[in-house]
Amino acid sequence: DAKTTQPPSMDCAEGRAANLPCNHSTISGNEYVYWYRQIHSQGPQYIIHGLKNNETNEMASLIITEDRKSSTLILPHATLRDTAVYYCIVRHSGAGSYQLTFGKGTKLSVIP
Amino acid sequence: GAGVSQSPSNKVTEKGKDVELRCDPISGHTALYWYRQSLGQGLEFLIYFQGNSAPDKSGLPSDRFSAERTGGSVSTLTIQRTQQEDSAVYLCASSLATHNEQFFGPGTRLTVL
Repeated sequence: DAKTTQPPSMDCAEGRAANLPCNHSTISGNEYVYWYRQIHSQGPQYIIHGLKNNETNEMASLIITEDRKSSTLILPHATLRDTAVYYCIVRHSGAGSYQLTFGKGTKLSVIP
Repeated sequence: GAGVSQSPSNKVTEKGKDVELRCDPISGHTALYWYRQSLGQGLEFLIYFQGNSAPDKSGLPSDRFSAERTGGSVSTLTIQRTQQEDSAVYLCASSLATHNEQFFGPGTRLTVL
């Protein structure tokens, strides 16, 4: 699976949009971009994933650049409960790629 | 609907004792995974079950660790003769099929004294 690079930490004011970047310049054509987060002392939580089109669900939006070398996770109205470590990972769609491996992620702090 | 549940939420045991950790996956999910996470560390894959196929045990750290999944649903992770280095949060996840997104349980925090 391709390696990803994320900033170690970010702050966001409560109620504002949180934009979390991720670089995955070595991504290949059949690799998806996945985002998970882990709130302190809880299990990881799936957020969203995409291949090349932008995606939106009830939690967030995922914007993938046209060359697919980077993406941005957008939490449109951050709340204090969104404070967590956010992990961007790239996964093959093929067999043998089921293990999740998280990097260091971005620690997002939502500030009142 | 109900998510992945795990029990117990916390387990404190003495070195050398055996422990059993339980995972109830989301109903209808055919794939089930066990990971562990030590304090401040990333996820460490342990074992994977998919339907009736033989499990992938390649991540189990020693032969003291074993897991089974009965009836394609509930799974139990057993650690025999626990050691202090086994202390970690043990996470279970399930997915609809192998390459779908994984949904995690809250974890079992194991402390070996």
